[in-house]
Amino acid sequence: DTGVSQNPRHKITKRGQNVTFRCDPISEHNRLYWYRQTLGQGPEFLTYFQNEAQLEKSRLLSDRFSAERPKGSFSTLEIQRTEQGDSAMYLCASSLAGLGEGYTFGSGTRLTVV
Amino acid sequence: AQKVTQAQTEISVVEKEDVTLDCVYETRDTTYYLFWYKQPPSGELVFLIRRNSFDEQNEISGRYSWNFQKSTSSFNFTITASQVVDSAVYLCALSEGGGSEKLVFGKGTKLTVNP
Repeated sequence: DTGVSQNPRHKITKRGQNVTFRCDPISEHNRLYWYRQTLGQGPEFLTYFQNEAQLEKSRLLSDRFSAERPKGSFSTLEIQRTEQGDSAMYLCASSLAGLGEGYTFGSGTRLTVV
Repeated sequence: AQKVTQAQTEISVVEKEDVTLDCVYETRDTTYYLFWYKQPPSGELVFLIRRNSFDEQNEISGRYSWNFQKSTSSFNFTITASQVVDSAVYLCALSEGGGSEKLVFGKGTKLTVNP
């Protein structure tokens, strides 16, 4: 296992379009997190899953955002009707519950809405 | 609510200088974890250290050292004999001891090491 993988690395989209990002966590990790990072800021928590269950969503996650982890493995984050304010780095992380080992981040997907 | 403050937005040093990055945190939890990550220009977060709230021993790893002081709610990071490759944004983060274990990050400190 080579770590947390995120695709695509970069995405440029026109305002109003829908985009979807994918995250493949470390296989034995049961928790998966999504964070968003804007320029000059630290990452901010969006949501997390334990196995396939979405257990918490931040108020930052508007109704245009939806995340899934259908089989408890990979996850997708979809943004509908993108706005320029959605431009950010979207980071995925995975861990074992209890932080027993690693809290590993992927390389992120950089979204630019034009 | 949990909060992490990294008051230093940017620091610039000359190679071989020592540099300390400050991190102050707020939490009501008695069990929590503190982290430091390095974020190079490519964007990925590179894990540096995790410390739990019951372990106040300072840690040294090569040129890196960390000073955890619960009395001042600080978890500072020192790079000794800095190198150009140390140039990056450094992020301090806090996690509760149970529940979601989501990370609350500071805004980061951009370190530039000049040759």
